[in-house]
Amino acid sequence: KAGVTQTPRYLIKTRGQQVTLSCSPISGHRSVSWYQQTPGQGLQFLFEYFSETQRNKGNFPGRFSGRQFSNSRSEMNVSTLELGDSALYLCASRPQSTNEKLFFGSGTQLSVL
Amino acid sequence: QQQVKQSPQSLIVQKGGISIINCAYENTAFDYFPWYQQFPGKGPALLIAIRPDVSEKKEGRFTISFNKSAKQFSLHIMDSQPGDSATYFCAAKFNQFYFGTGTSLTVIP
Repeated sequence: KAGVTQTPRYLIKTRGQQVTLSCSPISGHRSVSWYQQTPGQGLQFLFEYFSETQRNKGNFPGRFSGRQFSNSRSEMNVSTLELGDSALYLCASRPQSTNEKLFFGSGTQLSVL
Repeated sequence: QQQVKQSPQSLIVQKGGISIINCAYENTAFDYFPWYQQFPGKGPALLIAIRPDVSEKKEGRFTISFNKSAKQFSLHIMDSQPGDSATYFCAAKFNQFYFGTGTSLTVIP
């Protein structure tokens, strides 16, 4: 079974631009969550989607948004990029929201210049 | 604010030694406490997890010790090996997962 796939692997953007990251969960997994990983801050929860509905949202500004499609694939969008948005963005999937084991992708490394 | 506090930030251990990473939390509603291991260039992977009604869980060389009254839990890696060199994250779950800030472990041959 293929793991969680995130694309692209690396992104370089400039301040003010917007960016869209993609995540394909493990086949059969319906829950997808997103995390921002920065040195010293660990993993910060962004949001979780289940069956195309946002279930939970972390404490991030409205510039961060996401969506999930009917095939469980998910996208995350960041508008008006700031230097502080530079981070590794991780996607994790699990079969249901009640399952406790997260399966992470390798992430998208975003650099904002 | 950081819901789960993790220490130390980095740790260097000799091969064969014991690695200990500590985490503390405040929210007594947390009902699941996993540890994740992350190698460079990879996403975190679940290593071991415990529920608050259990004081200790062991899987091979990895043990979680859980102290509910102190609201602390720790990961012990026995007979540490160079292949254990990675970043370790503790976490706690209540509706969503809250992760610690990570510990970079280096095991010296």
